[in-house]
Amino acid sequence: GNSVTQMEGPVTLSEEAFLTINCTYTATGYPSLFWYVQYPGEGLQLLLKATKADDKGSNKGFEATYRKETTSFHLEKGSVQVSDSAVYFCALGPKGAQKLVFGQGTRLTINP
Amino acid sequence: DVKVTQSSRYLVKRTGEKVFLECVQDMDHENMFWYRQDPGLGLRLIYFSYDVKMKEKGDIPEGYSVSREKKERFSLILESASTNQTSMYLCATKGTVSGNTIYFGEGSWLTVV
Repeated sequence: GNSVTQMEGPVTLSEEAFLTINCTYTATGYPSLFWYVQYPGEGLQLLLKATKADDKGSNKGFEATYRKETTSFHLEKGSVQVSDSAVYFCALGPKGAQKLVFGQGTRLTINP
Repeated sequence: DVKVTQSSRYLVKRTGEKVFLECVQDMDHENMFWYRQDPGLGLRLIYFSYDVKMKEKGDIPEGYSVSREKKERFSLILESASTNQTSMYLCATKGTVSGNTIYFGEGSWLTVV
């Protein structure tokens, strides 16, 4: 079946540190891959996505590359800010299906 | 911009009450979803609708029902609320093309006492 495994949190970093949040997936075929972010008290919003192997999604300084050979879609940012504190969800959209499969979420806290 | 509006941000209901959570979208999307979010459990799909009057059970449908009488509106119904249904409820919508983004509402915090 389809599943997403995310790095367990919580993750705490200092401002300007390098961030990696790991995400690996299991899926048949070639799904689309997504990162969503949830700021405190809000719903989820799309951060970035990639729809085929070797695609790189990027937004707000965050990047993730669709790696078919390692079935991974790790989220990275070179220099985090306090405002990046949030919960991050990795998700996959199976080909031909309407429902997304979400990871458990990783809570990120950035200290000044 | 896509707008997904959930009618209530915060509700407090008593055990046994019937609860309605409403969701309206303005993008003419065919697919609409209800999730609940709990600490340590991530997002769990309750119900999914792919067209007016059509619905499909998600992973945790027990204790819930849904209604989709119009394309833009998807309602979640708790027939008899229980304390274990205290949670954050998220509505979402999506177009039909595979790979499309899911758009979420801001969430409804329900407390059942």
